[in-house]
Amino acid sequence: GEDVEQSLFLSVREGDSSVINCTYTDSSSTYLYWYKQEPGAGLQLLTYIFSNMDMKQDQRLTVLLNKKDKHLSLRIADTQTGDSAIYFCAEDYNQGGKLIFGQGTELSVKP
Amino acid sequence: NAGVTQTPKFQVLKTGQSMTLQCAQDMNHNSMYWYRQDPGMGLRLIYYSASEGTTDKGEVPNGYNVSRLNKREFSLRLESAAPSQTSVYFCASSEVGETQYFGPGTRLLVL
Repeated sequence: GEDVEQSLFLSVREGDSSVINCTYTDSSSTYLYWYKQEPGAGLQLLTYIFSNMDMKQDQRLTVLLNKKDKHLSLRIADTQTGDSAIYFCAEDYNQGGKLIFGQGTELSVKP
Repeated sequence: NAGVTQTPKFQVLKTGQSMTLQCAQDMNHNSMYWYRQDPGMGLRLIYYSASEGTTDKGEVPNGYNVSRLNKREFSLRLESAAPSQTSVYFCASSEVGETQYFGPGTRLLVL
């Protein structure tokens, strides 16, 4: 069935780059999303990429998409302590507006 | 413009009790969704409503019912709560196939 996989934890030092990886299975997905969840809060849309793109950059965020390998990554440049959160990737399953989420990657940024 | 609002924020129930989680959006979106979030499992879709007057099952609908009261409101009902329904519940809204916007969540504990 449809599945989205992420590693559960990532720890980096402040100022370093963070790379969060995600693999998905639905090759017909139109959009792939990255959401951020801070403790006790809802999900905040960070960025998304259209499936016919390879890369999208938005300030400190870079999204890379490898459609052949069904691999998505989120790079955060100059990671700050305020970036500590859980990051979810999601694909829109069957282009019907239903999102399939990964388990979330908990990013810990140490000073 | 409040976006997506949910009530209550927290709830404790005893096994067998019933309750309704409320969700409202002021973005004039056609589609609304209910998810549950459990540790290590990401978000899973319970029910969704593609437009006013329609509802459909998601990945984990058992034990829940929904009502799309009007375009703005989409409620989730637990008729007889079970400990397995202890979770954080998120409502979201979107235009069909577009970005989903999430509410702050309802934390439910079933004893």
